[in-house]
Amino acid sequence: RKEVEQDPGPFNVPEGATVAFNCTYSNSASQSFFWYRQDCRKEPKLLMSVYSSGNEDGRFTAQLNRASQYISLLIRDSKLSDSATYLCVVKPWQNFVFGPGTRLSVLP
Amino acid sequence: GAGVSQSPSNKVTEKGKDVELRCDPISGHTALYWYRQSLGQGLEFLIYFQGNSAPDKSGLPSDRFSAERTGGSVSTLTIQRTQQEDSAVYLCASSPGTESEAFFGQGTRLTVV
Repeated sequence: RKEVEQDPGPFNVPEGATVAFNCTYSNSASQSFFWYRQDCRKEPKLLMSVYSSGNEDGRFTAQLNRASQYISLLIRDSKLSDSATYLCVVKPWQNFVFGPGTRLSVLP
Repeated sequence: GAGVSQSPSNKVTEKGKDVELRCDPISGHTALYWYRQSLGQGLEFLIYFQGNSAPDKSGLPSDRFSAERTGGSVSTLTIQRTQQEDSAVYLCASSPGTESEAFFGQGTRLTVV
């Protein structure tokens, strides 16, 4: 089993849609969690950290369930500019473990 | 700028040659990471440096790969006797602390012909 698994995608959604990404991780000792986005042929950039109580940043909401070892990202009112690959990232000790990513295309 | 800087941005080399990739982390960041990403694939961990501790080399794919970090700052990733399967984007990242996010450089695109 991979350390971090994500929905295989791709997701193709119309502008304005709500889209949810799911992620599971295998290492129960993981302490820090993040969502990154990666545009085509670019480096990954932090979208948001994920906190135990859940957190929101504008149209983006992240949730963490430690008991189920599950992380989610919800994007509301999606924009064309949200088109990218979304990477779930877990930090068990000192290293960052990246999921394979889920590609999102927001269509006009 | 104050971000992670990598050089060169692109490198084409002949099979069998050695290459060196450089990473300048954000000033003050104690942790430095190397990853590689093949076309259409996820990020593959290579090596991690934290302060003066011994590096975590568990991700290096073969003994042709090595890395060092001098003075706790600049890092060099060396690939000896390059093979075509080494072609990928090599990404460097730095982080200021144990619970902080990683900041990536723009990567070095390596093509072995």
